[in-house]
Amino acid sequence: AQKVTQAQTEISVVEKEDVTLDCVYETRDTTYYLFWYKQPPSGELVFLIRRNSFDEQNEISGRYSWNFQKSTSSFNFTITASQVVDSAVYFCALSEARVPGGGADGLTFGKGTHLIIQP
Amino acid sequence: NAGVTQTPKFRILKIGQSMTLQCAQDMNHNYMYWYRQDPGMGLKLIYYSVGAGITDKGEVPNGYNVSRSTTEDFPLRLELAAPSQTSVYFCASSYVQRDTQYFGPGTRLTVL
Repeated sequence: AQKVTQAQTEISVVEKEDVTLDCVYETRDTTYYLFWYKQPPSGELVFLIRRNSFDEQNEISGRYSWNFQKSTSSFNFTITASQVVDSAVYFCALSEARVPGGGADGLTFGKGTHLIIQP
Repeated sequence: NAGVTQTPKFRILKIGQSMTLQCAQDMNHNYMYWYRQDPGMGLKLIYYSVGAGITDKGEVPNGYNVSRSTTEDFPLRLELAAPSQTSVYFCASSYVQRDTQYFGPGTRLTVL
């Protein structure tokens, strides 16, 4: 079973529309961290947000907002008034206290959502 | 600060060849990581290091080796390249455990 599920493989919207990217995670830890990264067509990974499991407040940064709900194990990302420059692959990732088989300190990534913003 | 740097940007290897992917960071971060990204997939952890002289396996370590002799550098070694190692490799670093990881620009490796 996937630890981080991004069920939307690809989303295409027209510029200025709002769009929400879903992220569902699975962990047995009480202390964990969730992240979102953006990977534009140029290929680099750009950090967007880090949230710990004890902070369930929603966060807003400009046109970006994040909704963290522990009850549903979700950490969704919304872009308001999307722009062409938002076109990218977006990854949700989980950092747990311990991962079976090793990698205790690494991130577990979802498969990503390819967001296409059409002009 | 240059952040996390990786060399080379691109490389083509023949099956059985070996090479070292270089990674360096100038942020005085203790933790460093190597990930691989296959097409349409998220990143998977290969190896990580919590400080100079200390390394440990991640999810997909087979076929790779690492060393960490300094805080700044964390090279990844491929001993006998195989087509299954065709991927984009990312190095990352963070200051402390489970802190934000900052990524290098990646190395695109093709094994033919």
